[in-house]
Amino acid sequence: QQQVKQSPQSLIVQKGGISIINCAYENTAFDYFPWYQQFPGKGPALLIAIRPDVSEKKEGRFTISFNKSAKQFSLHIMDSQPGDSATYFCAASTYNTDKLIFGTGTRLQVFP
Amino acid sequence: KAGVTQTPRYLIKTRGQQVTLSCSPISGHRSVSWYQQTPGQGLQFLFEYFSETQRNKGNFPGRFSGRQFSNSRSEMNVSTLELGDSALYLCASRQGAGNTIYFGEGSWLTVV
Repeated sequence: QQQVKQSPQSLIVQKGGISIINCAYENTAFDYFPWYQQFPGKGPALLIAIRPDVSEKKEGRFTISFNKSAKQFSLHIMDSQPGDSATYFCAASTYNTDKLIFGTGTRLQVFP
Repeated sequence: KAGVTQTPRYLIKTRGQQVTLSCSPISGHRSVSWYQQTPGQGLQFLFEYFSETQRNKGNFPGRFSGRQFSNSRSEMNVSTLELGDSALYLCASRQGAGNTIYFGEGSWLTVV
């Protein structure tokens, strides 16, 4: 019930392509869904986040799509760049708590 | 504005010893949480503090403990270290409910 399932585990994309990472959750009490980007040796950095009252949120090249009925959400990275090569984590939590339940991570490699 | 600061960044301890890790949240942030990151288990929530009170605790043994001071700074302690405690320990802070959770760069603990 507390798990967040993330796929794929790794992703290789050519420069300029679209990277898509998917996550699914079970706990319907979750109401905050952030995506974090982590570079080697660094802590996770918030990329974009969404609440279940909207189905899509876009910030620059990054878009979250949210399907409340399917309990799924995904990250789309448009025009992927080599600098986007990192590990991406989806997460979920309930309001007013710092307890983030993280997915297992996706290692993205963007080749020029 | 300085980010979440964690000290020490790297440390090596021997099995059976104890360790204390420190975290200074972003100025004005009153909520602090701790996470453990390992290749096998991923990112796991340890505990969460607000106004010196532990609000939430993850599924870790009692050897893991923490506290928060009146200036919002936080420490976590691991006693009787085991090899499996080798991990990146991440501290995060948040200004208030519904706000972004910011992570520090972590403390790398190696237990030998």
